Amino acid sequence: GAVVSQHPSRVICKSGTSVKIECRSLDFQATTMFWYRQFPKQSLMLMATSNEGSKATYEQGVEKDKFLINHASLTLSTLTVTSAHPEDSSFYICSAQTLMNEQFFGPGTRLTVL
Amino acid sequence: AQSVTQPDIHITVSEGASLELRCNYSYGATPYLFWYVQSPGQGLQLLLKYFSGDTLVQGIKGFEAEFKRSQSSFNLRKPSVHWSDAAEYFCAVGEGGGATNKLIFGTGTLLAVQP
Repeated sequence: GAVVSQHPSRVICKSGTSVKIECRSLDFQATTMFWYRQFPKQSLMLMATSNEGSKATYEQGVEKDKFLINHASLTLSTLTVTSAHPEDSSFYICSAQTLMNEQFFGPGTRLTVL
Repeated sequence: AQSVTQPDIHITVSEGASLELRCNYSYGATPYLFWYVQSPGQGLQLLLKYFSGDTLVQGIKGFEAEFKRSQSSFNLRKPSVHWSDAAEYFCAVGEGGGATNKLIFGTGTLLAVQP
């Protein structure tokens, strides 16, 4: 199957700093990528839909100025958590959608904000 | 609104025993249903999906699931569990009436396998 990578796999940062997470589709092009957030022992919650070359579509309750998404190429989407605070600590997962409309998921990024 | 319910948070089975993980959904139209497995440190892997047609769907790793419209269910089954099946399992429904678009996930079922 198609492979999606995320970098970094885990990051620890100080409160108030910004953190960028990359999501790459390694062997296919993805016009659409999705960003999810997963709290411990909870489900994946969709944060936003990232479309190549256009603005991301955010789910209700997700602050677009807080979670900046850029999808500059067909193989890369980035999520930047701006001015991170401890409540932003979570597991962030991306997925990339193939031309056959199937989603492949990255391994996730564990963010810890001190 | 669309939703997915996985009633069992945690299940323990013995190796070699059969397994059934429950999933119920709420969706206005014909649902597009998925089962994913998540192992520590790895991304979600698609086990199987249902879009239309035969209501009994075969997936990878010996898993199958049956779509029952009357019960709004899409339960995952495996006749004989292996220790390597220990993981978290997520049921999901696809919004937007197609294979594309947003996925709504259940809360997951954590499967433990006893030797």
